[in-house]
Amino acid sequence: SQTIHQWPATLVQPVGSPLSLECTVEGTSNPNLYWYRQAAGRGLQLLFYSVGIGQISSEVPQNLSASRPQDRQFILSSKKLLLSDSGFYLCAWSVGLDRASSPLHFGNGTRLTVT
Amino acid sequence: GENVEQHPSTLSVQEGDSAVIKCTYSDSASNYFPWYKQELGKRPQLIIDIRSNVGEKKDQRIAVTLNKTAKHFSLHITETQPEDSAVYFCAASRGSNYKLTFGKGTLLTVNP
Repeated sequence: SQTIHQWPATLVQPVGSPLSLECTVEGTSNPNLYWYRQAAGRGLQLLFYSVGIGQISSEVPQNLSASRPQDRQFILSSKKLLLSDSGFYLCAWSVGLDRASSPLHFGNGTRLTVT
Repeated sequence: GENVEQHPSTLSVQEGDSAVIKCTYSDSASNYFPWYKQELGKRPQLIIDIRSNVGEKKDQRIAVTLNKTAKHFSLHITETQPEDSAVYFCAASRGSNYKLTFGKGTLLTVNP
């Protein structure tokens, strides 16, 4: 069966420090991968998605970036964190079907607090 | 792009009552509509989904209905229990762009 791993679970970082969050998926090949952010415990904002190695689509302009160095690995990064980057970051995957939708499966999330 | 509106933002019911959450979408090409449940501090989890070639789907106490003409879909929970308390999100996707657009969520509280 497929599993998704996301780490760390919690992170406290000072303003201006770098960030690296990692997500890996097991048990499937060529998944679609996603990074979402959830602020204030409510809405889910799509940050990045990837349909293949090296292919990254950005949804919102910001100081975050994403990379997909391997088929089942997705990394969210920042060179300098802002206070507004605080939130609950969720990695997700879906089956890589061509022109069809499949359910999103979320990781357990990383709660980031920028101080 | 797609826009999904979800109502109400909060809903409080007594245990055993029914709960209904409604969503509307803007993109007539959307063809996939999942619902997610998120308990406090946890990840969203898929509870039911429906595709545009189906008008209704049921899974035990949970049902979803879809009206393509009106571009709205609803989640129905019957015989609610305290463990149904959570934030529920609706979402819509047209498939070809690989993205789900989420509603803003409904905080459901089931009072014992």
